[in-house]
Amino acid sequence: GDSVTQMEGPVTLSEEAFLTINCTYTATGYPSLFWYVQYPGEGLQLLLKATKADDKGSNKGFEATYRKETTSFHLEKGSVQVSDSAVYFCALLPPSGNTPLVFGKGTRLSVIA
Amino acid sequence: DSGVTQTPKHLITATGQRVTLRCSPRSGDLSVYWYQQSLDQGLQFLIQYYNGEERAKGNILERFSAQQFPDLHSELNLSSLELGDSALYFCASSFGGFSGNTIYFGEGSWLTVV
Repeated sequence: GDSVTQMEGPVTLSEEAFLTINCTYTATGYPSLFWYVQYPGEGLQLLLKATKADDKGSNKGFEATYRKETTSFHLEKGSVQVSDSAVYFCALLPPSGNTPLVFGKGTRLSVIA
Repeated sequence: DSGVTQTPKHLITATGQRVTLRCSPRSGDLSVYWYQQSLDQGLQFLIQYYNGEERAKGNILERFSAQQFPDLHSELNLSSLELGDSALYFCASSFGGFSGNTIYFGEGSWLTVV
């Protein structure tokens, strides 16, 4: 079935460091891909999305490119801030229309000053 | 603010009890989804309703039930509660069904069973 694999955390970075959180997927056809973020004590927020191959989603300095050839959707940010500390979830929405969002297990990011 | 409203935000109850979680979807959205987030299971899809009808069912226990009302708000009923039901329950909504629609999440209802 459809699945998402994220790099295991926690990830600890210093402020202004470069961030990459790896995400790969297995799906039939061409799913839509998403990154959601969960700040401490809060709910899930949509961070960015891409709906077709080679699309780049971006928001708040974060970027991810839909790579069909490597079935990946890695999240990147050039310079992280303490306020980026959160749990990041990669998710896919299958094109079939018969199943809901499939989430990865989440990656916890801690940014230290 | 996603536009999805969940109440209550926090709830503490005893084992064996029954609770109801409420969700109001974003204006114009027809689909409502319920997810459970626990430490050991991650984010688990429970059930989806589309315009009042059950559309898909995930790992929802028989002790749990849900419905979507004519005004499109939804309720998740959890009964005979066990300690293991302690979790964050998310409601989400989208305009249509799954395919091609962005799903927006509420802030969740924290349930603690003691």
